Amino acid sequence: SQQGEEDPQALSIQEGENATMNCSYKTSINNLQWYRQNSGRGLVHLILIRSNEREKHSGRLRVTLDTSKKSSSLLITASRAADTASYFCATDAATGGFKTIFGAGTRLFVKA
Amino acid sequence: GAGVSQSPRYKVAKRGQDVALRCDPISGHVSLFWYQQALGQGPEFLTYFQNEAQLDKSGLPSDRFFAERPEGSVSTLKIQRTQQEDSAVYLCASSLVPPNTEAFFGQGTRLTVV
Repeated sequence: SQQGEEDPQALSIQEGENATMNCSYKTSINNLQWYRQNSGRGLVHLILIRSNEREKHSGRLRVTLDTSKKSSSLLITASRAADTASYFCATDAATGGFKTIFGAGTRLFVKA
Repeated sequence: GAGVSQSPRYKVAKRGQDVALRCDPISGHVSLFWYQQALGQGPEFLTYFQNEAQLDKSGLPSDRFFAERPEGSVSTLKIQRTQQEDSAVYLCASSLVPPNTEAFFGQGTRLTVV
């Protein structure tokens, strides 16, 4: 079973627009991570936000974390066709174990 | 090597056949993870190693699945008597000791059981 749930499941936007993806999870966490996966390839780590952080930036990426609502969002600004991929949130449970639990992902399509 | 390497990239197995999937993690990475990813889904955790010790194998779906990392570097995921439902991409990742560390993923092995 997967802890993270992303929404929307799929998102189609025009190049230059912003893309926002949301993730919800169920239990207390140490951190939350976002990954990107291009078709047929492995996952690439984008950003990690710790449970005591509320917002983090990396280039065109902005991640927020609301531990009271057990949710996170990933914003990609000024999207490019090359951003077309699946995006996954992943959480490390705070209560023992070493699992990183992934959601089902948001499929982003950026039209040129 | 520069990244996590997995082999083979593709494997077709006949139902009932045993398979072995290999993962070469990034040198010096203590942690190694195996995941199973079905089409259109996120990766599902299978097992975790810290050096040679298998600290968590709670995600292995049945006793047909077995993983090892005998010298704390290369790892092998073995699936015995493969079934059609085992068809998936098997991903390996390595990292420094969690928590709060980035995991680096290999390209995966796509297993198709026919």
